[in-house]
Amino acid sequence: QITLKESGPTLVKPTQTLTLTCTFSGFSLSTSGVGVGWIRQPPGKALEWLALIYWNDDKRYSPSLKSRLTITKDTSKNQVVLTMTNMDPVDTATYYCAHTLVSYYYYGMDVWGQGTTVTVSS
Amino acid sequence: DIQMTQSPSTLSASVGDRVTITCRASQSISSWLAWYQQKPGKAPKLLIYKASSLESGVPSRFSGSGSGTEFTLTISSLQPDDFATYYCQQYSPFTFGPGTKVDIK
Repeated sequence: QITLKESGPTLVKPTQTLTLTCTFSGFSLSTSGVGVGWIRQPPGKALEWLALIYWNDDKRYSPSLKSRLTITKDTSKNQVVLTMTNMDPVDTATYYCAHTLVSYYYYGMDVWGQGTTVTVSS
Repeated sequence: DIQMTQSPSTLSASVGDRVTITCRASQSISSWLAWYQQKPGKAPKLLIYKASSLESGVPSRFSGSGSGTEFTLTISSLQPDDFATYYCQQYSPFTFGPGTKVDIK
């Protein structure tokens, strides 16, 4: 059974750097085709994809946020870490991590964490 | 960058109705499209991948079709549990559409 859980601060100040950790079980991020992505959702708004890291350490970023994001993985700890610099109140959102599988096709983000709410305020 | 649009943004329907949601990509994405359902306060749930493949455990009243730039999600007979917001998502980058809220008529 695949599970993912997000952790990190619930409150950050403007201009600070946010660090979120996704801790997962039930799969290995060294298995071919596997990826873990981060997605956020501001209150009352749509989903926004942020970043994704593949089993082979290939990394993809949202073009609009690329300059502020870094995604890394620690395969031995079964964790994926997302950092977002220069936080602003508009970054207030629920942040999710999710498992995906890409081989010849994209199989969607099939298992999601419960999400963690981050508020940006001074 | 490929942009995703959805129509309608809100859809009012009754139990038993056939419901169709459209997702359009600004350029061809072949069949690299997924559909999700999200209920308030919950994480999204994958319904369809590869444009038309039903995720395991998802009721067969959900179906997806399309390729290239135009895709549809159809609910053949709307059930009370289906009132939710639906999002399409393309692959690389993994952009989501703006969502379609299905509410009670």
